[in-house]
Amino acid sequence: KAGVTQTPRYLIKTRGQQVTLSCSPISGHRSVSWYQQTPGQGLQFLFEYFSETQRNKGNFPGRFSGRQFSNSRSEMNVSTLELGDSALYLCASLPGLSGGLREQYFGPGTRLTVT
Amino acid sequence: AQSVTQLGSHVSVSEGALVLLRCNYSSSVPPYLFWYVQYPNQGLQLLLKYTSAATLVKGINGFEAEFKKSETSFHLTKPSAHMSDAAEYFCAVTTEKTSYDKVIFGPGTSLSVIP
Repeated sequence: KAGVTQTPRYLIKTRGQQVTLSCSPISGHRSVSWYQQTPGQGLQFLFEYFSETQRNKGNFPGRFSGRQFSNSRSEMNVSTLELGDSALYLCASLPGLSGGLREQYFGPGTRLTVT
Repeated sequence: AQSVTQLGSHVSVSEGALVLLRCNYSSSVPPYLFWYVQYPNQGLQLLLKYTSAATLVKGINGFEAEFKKSETSFHLTKPSAHMSDAAEYFCAVTTEKTSYDKVIFGPGTSLSVIP
């Protein structure tokens, strides 16, 4: 079974631009979560989607948004990029809801560099 | 609110030696605790988790961790280090069983294995 895939793997953008990152969960998985990983702040939860609905959102500004499609694929968008948005963005998938502390399966991440 | 600290941002061990990665947590209610591993250019992989059952938790790749309430610790150990264990290790804590949005990750410990 293929794992979680994220595209693109690497991205360089300029301040003020916007970016869209994509995540394809493991086949059959309906829950997708996004995380931001930076050397300074570590790993931080962005949002979680299940069946095209956002279940939870982390403490990030409104410039960060996401959506999930009917095939469970998810995208996250960051508008008006800032230098501090440079990070590794990780996506994780689960078969169902995240209750019960079931294992999440992480993708390799998208490395975003903002210049 | 809960928090987690990992003593030592970088740990070096010789191949075949004991691996000990330290994690201390702070929580006003019984916590759930995790250890994740991140290999270079990859996402996180769950090593093991404590969910209030047995205090000694065995995980994948020969790792185990012991929950010690009196010491508020959840240290990760492996009897004999292998070169393939070189990676970044993250301890995480949550008190929510219904979703992952409240999981707090530690800053990580980079493990080097010397041949």
